[in-house]
Amino acid sequence: DAGVTQSPTHLIKTRGQQVTLRCSPKSGHDTVSWYQQALGQGPQFIFQYYEEEERQRGNFPDRFSGHQFPNYSSELNVNALLLGDSALYLCASSASLGTDPDTQYFGPGTRLTVL
Amino acid sequence: AQSVTQPDIHITVSEGASLELRCNYSYGATPYLFWYVQSPGQGLQLLLKYFSGDTLVQGIKGFEAEFKRSQSSFNLRKPSVHWSDAAEYFCAVDSGGYQKVTFGTGTKLQVIP
Repeated sequence: DAGVTQSPTHLIKTRGQQVTLRCSPKSGHDTVSWYQQALGQGPQFIFQYYEEEERQRGNFPDRFSGHQFPNYSSELNVNALLLGDSALYLCASSASLGTDPDTQYFGPGTRLTVL
Repeated sequence: AQSVTQPDIHITVSEGASLELRCNYSYGATPYLFWYVQSPGQGLQLLLKYFSGDTLVQGIKGFEAEFKRSQSSFNLRKPSVHWSDAAEYFCAVDSGGYQKVTFGTGTKLQVIP
């Protein structure tokens, strides 16, 4: 049973560019959340997708957007990249129903560097 | 708004010694509480969680945590630390199960021989 997978592993972009990160949830999970973890900090909640809609959002600007597909996989898009967007981006999945609801399982992350 | 405080940024323990990592949360009702571990450059692995019931919860790798409502704390413990436990540990809170999880700033654990 594959866990949460993310691609790519590493990414280097320049200021002003746009980036798309991808996440496949754990089998049986229907909810995907995205977090940004700056160096030396704890993860910060960006937003959550459920039933292909954004259900909750943290304190991040509109440059951060996302999408969830019918197979529950998800994308995180960041436009007009800033140096401060350099971070580890973590995807977490969870099940809305079943034996282990409300528990998030994390992927290995995508390391984004903005130059 | 919910918040999590991990007062210890860095802790060093000897292999075989006991460990306690502190976590305090701020939330009006009973929150969902989690401890995650992160090895360098890796994602987060769930160690244990508390939703309700018995306030002493057991997790993986020999870890346990105790929920104390009166102290708003959820400290992580391990009776005997192994060198492989060296990592960063994050306490997290989810208010009411809506999965908008707030993390603490983490405690980096160093294990010395």
